[in-house]
Amino acid sequence: DTGVSQDPRHKITKRGQNVTFRCDPISEHNRLYWYRQTLGQGPEFLTYFQNEAQLEKSRLLSDRFSAERPKGSFSTLEIQRTEQGDSAMYLCASSRQEYNEQFFGPGTRLTVL
Amino acid sequence: AQTVTQSQPEMSVQEAETVTLSCTYDTSESDYYLFWYKQPPSRQMILVIRQEAYKQQNATENRFSVNFQKAAKSFSLKISDSQLGDAAMYFCAFANFGNEKLTFGTGTRLTIIP
Repeated sequence: DTGVSQDPRHKITKRGQNVTFRCDPISEHNRLYWYRQTLGQGPEFLTYFQNEAQLEKSRLLSDRFSAERPKGSFSTLEIQRTEQGDSAMYLCASSRQEYNEQFFGPGTRLTVL
Repeated sequence: AQTVTQSQPEMSVQEAETVTLSCTYDTSESDYYLFWYKQPPSRQMILVIRQEAYKQQNATENRFSVNFQKAAKSFSLKISDSQLGDAAMYFCAFANFGNEKLTFGTGTRLTIIP
């Protein structure tokens, strides 16, 4: 068990560019979550998947954000036309459905210039 | 919607002493989970302790224990025999039963004084 991994760990981009982040959950976990954490705040829920199905999306997830989990394994989070307000740490977590304990990855820190 | 409030932005404690971090929450649900997560500087978040709302007994994990007061909607974390490695941001979090997205508080930064 290697834990939840995220790639890249850091991303600097210019406003208006598109970015994509990847999350690899713990292998036997069928639930995968995305959160966003800004400086000095707790993480805020963005979306989650059970296997390949996206079950819930927060209203924080604007039309510029899209998440996929095509084969029920890894997930990607894409932000189109980035804005400076998108600068944050993007956290991924996974869990086994029946245990309700989420294991977090190290996060991807996005800086939009 | 559920809310989680942590009213102590920062706390400090002498090494080997005991410290209590406060958390209150608001919900209309009767079945839910409460968590304390620890986020060390530049490191990933890890679960410290969890409590199921239907259990009256307070959860304990080694030096960590909670005081769960369901009627008061209070969920405090007590750390006994504080160690330097306990220095971190501590987040209180809530999840409804059957809907496991976490709602976090704003966190408490804990400093351990040698």
